[in-house]
Amino acid sequence: GAVVSQHPSRVICKSGTSVKIECRSLDFQATTMFWYRQFPKQSLMLMATSNEGSKATYEQGVEKDKFLINHASLTLSTLTVTSAHPEDSSFYICSAIDRELEKLFFGSGTQLSVL
Amino acid sequence: RKEVEQDPGPFNVPEGATVAFNCTYSNSASQSFFWYRQDCRKEPKLLMSVYSSGNEDGRFTAQLNRASQYISLLIRDSKLSDSATYLCVVFSGGYQKVTFGTGTKLQVIP
Repeated sequence: GAVVSQHPSRVICKSGTSVKIECRSLDFQATTMFWYRQFPKQSLMLMATSNEGSKATYEQGVEKDKFLINHASLTLSTLTVTSAHPEDSSFYICSAIDRELEKLFFGSGTQLSVL
Repeated sequence: RKEVEQDPGPFNVPEGATVAFNCTYSNSASQSFFWYRQDCRKEPKLLMSVYSSGNEDGRFTAQLNRASQYISLLIRDSKLSDSATYLCVVFSGGYQKVTFGTGTKLQVIP
């Protein structure tokens, strides 16, 4: 079964609204989680690295005020797309490292469509 | 130079063919290496870990060459269901940093 749970799987929202996406590690504690975005037919793009209890580290070109990341516990990280616009429509995926297994697991992704 | 580089392809091969992908990495201190498979509009899924000694899982063989800083994936007897994008993933910085290649697209043709 899934070891990283991501919800919702699909969101359709109006322009200007905010959308929150949750990523949970189910069987392990994840001090570090990662958030990615993927446009159609393009590769995964790392948006930010989320560390439990501290501020996220954003990749160059990713607006931290627009993509709010909160990693308040060892099993949960959230990504909030604030004031979403149609150009934010994309597939958002989270991942987490199970340090004991030394493996990276992905959530099932969230398809965001902004009308 | 990108930290992790892959040939994006696409590699179009007939069923039953053997195909090989390479992935080069620039950080010599990288710790762990993996191949993931991603189907269209789905999350990447772990295919196999990569070790210096090489590892095999059925039709799939992965190899790490630390001296030349590349990893490889060999797929024998290709099936239609192998059609996907194959991502090279590298861990470094005490598992704080995960770097992906752009992925290599494989299309197996009947």
